[in-house]
Amino acid sequence: AQKVTQAQTEISVVEKEDVTLDCVYETRDTTYYLFWYKQPPSGELVFLIRRNSFDEQNEISGRYSWNFQKSTSSFNFTITASQVVDSAVYFCALSEEASSNTGKLIFGQGTTLQVKP
Amino acid sequence: AAGVIQSPRHLIKEKRETATLKCYPIPRHDTVYWYQQGPGQDPQFLISFYEKMQSDKGSIPDRFSAQQFSDYHSELNMSSLELGDSALYFCASTMGQKLRSYTFGSGTRLTVV
Repeated sequence: AQKVTQAQTEISVVEKEDVTLDCVYETRDTTYYLFWYKQPPSGELVFLIRRNSFDEQNEISGRYSWNFQKSTSSFNFTITASQVVDSAVYFCALSEEASSNTGKLIFGQGTTLQVKP
Repeated sequence: AAGVIQSPRHLIKEKRETATLKCYPIPRHDTVYWYQQGPGQDPQFLISFYEKMQSDKGSIPDRFSAQQFSDYHSELNMSSLELGDSALYFCASTMGQKLRSYTFGSGTRLTVV
């Protein structure tokens, strides 16, 4: 069965601090995709990254970086030098790409990040 | 670039009424997914369609039905609305059920009063 756990419900930091959002997943498949989405107060789901299970290379995009570790089934997200505009709910999601899978995403519970000025 | 279009953006209905949400996928996308996100919750998968056939089903109430039309747009029909149906409803589309091109629409906010 698929499961995604984001143990941090809420995180509050002061602007310019670094912050890491944790994501732990469970899957029996060897081929799967992991996603991170940002949901600002306006409500839309903003795509941040998609990573497949065969690519364990960490990725950096500006102030954002992702640490994918299959050994611990984790896909953590770090924001460096946080800004007020980073305040949002962040979701980690998983989808298995087995032949029987139809592409639905399983989301974690979300982490609400508040960045204070 | 064209995105996934959902209409309406906001909808207010009374209890026991019916609502229809529409989703227009990205051109050439043949797969559509519907998700429901209650207040303070994560998005939950409802139902999906691939090439106009239902491909998967999640925790979708019997009061809800959906279909995908010949032009690949999809409609989610919700009857006998309840207060608990108040939520954000997202549609996503992709090509061939592949995750590489997965794209969400901006959502429809349904409020049942």
